[in-house]
Order: sequence, then C-alpha cells, then structure tokens
Amino acid sequence: DTEVTQTPKHLVMGMTNKKSLKCEQHMGHRAMYWYKQKAKKPPELMFVYSYEKLSINESVPSRFSPECPNSSLLNLHLHALQPEDSALYLCASSRGQGTSGGLPLSFFGPGTRLTVL
Amino acid sequence: GENVEQHPSTLSVQEGDSAVIKCTYSDSASNYFPWYKQELGKRPQLIIDIRSNVGEKKDQRIAVTLNKTAKHFSLHITETQPEDSAVYFCAANANSGYALNFGKGTSLLVTP
Repeated sequence: DTEVTQTPKHLVMGMTNKKSLKCEQHMGHRAMYWYKQKAKKPPELMFVYSYEKLSINESVPSRFSPECPNSSLLNLHLHALQPEDSALYLCASSRGQGTSGGLPLSFFGPGTRLTVL
Repeated sequence: GENVEQHPSTLSVQEGDSAVIKCTYSDSASNYFPWYKQELGKRPQLIIDIRSNVGEKKDQRIAVTLNKTAKHFSLHITETQPEDSAVYFCAANANSGYALNFGKGTSLLVTP
C-alpha cells in the first residue's frame, strides 16, 4: 500500500459546527503532516507529528486541533471555523527522521476540500 | 518559515521545447529539495528531489540541479508534452528538519 488516504473528500460546515478530517497511511511512515492550501497558493505547513508526538505547530489557531491516535492515523478536529479557513487540507507522510533514508516528505493524500459557510 | 523564491510564476512553451524553473532559498541548513507537480483539482505529486550532497539528478525528461554555494536549484523538463501542463512547486526543508517551505509555484502551459 503506497497511498495516503483522506476522508471526507469534501466537507461543508457552518461556523458553529464541529467536524473532523481523517488521514491514514499504511506505509510504516513515522512522520505525518497537515498542510493547508488555498487556491493558486502553495501548501502551508500546519502541524507535524513525529513518532506520534506533535513536533511542529506552525502557530495554528486553536480552532484546529490535531490528533495522532496511532502511527497510521492522523486526525484534524475543527471547531468554530471562519469562512477564511475554507481551503484544501492535505495530509502527508514520510519516513521518520533518523530512519534509514528518512526524508522530510514523500506522499500527499488527495486532500479534503473544506468550505466554511 | 524561511523564504523560497520561485521564478517564473507562469511559463508557456511549445510542445517539444524545454522548460526551466528556478528557485532560491535562504536557509543554509536546508539539505533536501523536492519538486511537486500539481494538476488542477489534484494533490501535489512528488516528481523529483535532490539532497544537498548531490549536484544534479535526472529521471528521464526531468532533471534537477543544485548549487549549494549560490543557494539555487532548478527544474529542467526536456521534450515537453501537453500533459506536462500543471503548477510546479519547489520546496526546501527548514533547518535540516521536517518542515517544508514551498515556492509560490510556476504555472506551466505546454501548447501543441
């Protein structure tokens, strides 16, 4: 399995809703990432998990809450979002730092297109 | 994060011609430089990458060069085809770690 999967593909939510984005990989990667991408812009790093521990939080507002239940799963919990949070949310994974051939990033998932009304 | 500058922002070439996209980075500790291709509505896909201990890498029609001294790296696509049309992003890792800083992207159009 060489895929990173994400669910849902599309999500429309109101500003008072609570929702979660899910990401899964079965490549044995020990680093997982959340990126946010606005239209016609590059991906922007939000969070990095390394060996299931949060290692980087790029000053993301607390209305985004990441969770890494195990080495294959990564969630992003959403609460009280704003319309400007509408974007494509990309999950990615890579081999862990320190492992043989470890590199910062290899595979992106297909993304969840989020619309906040 | 540290800056990665990418040029040009748009590039139009005729089928069969070569395309070159250039990036510069500012973080001296960067040691990994991937390139991604993103088609409309799809995820970024890694097409080639280079580490700082290598000056050039080639994969069929795609090549990447790295000049560590000048902090420049470039993507070269030869014999371009219409299916090469996409947005291309360069990136560099920050502080030899895991965070990737992306360039702003180059929209490549290959016309038949």
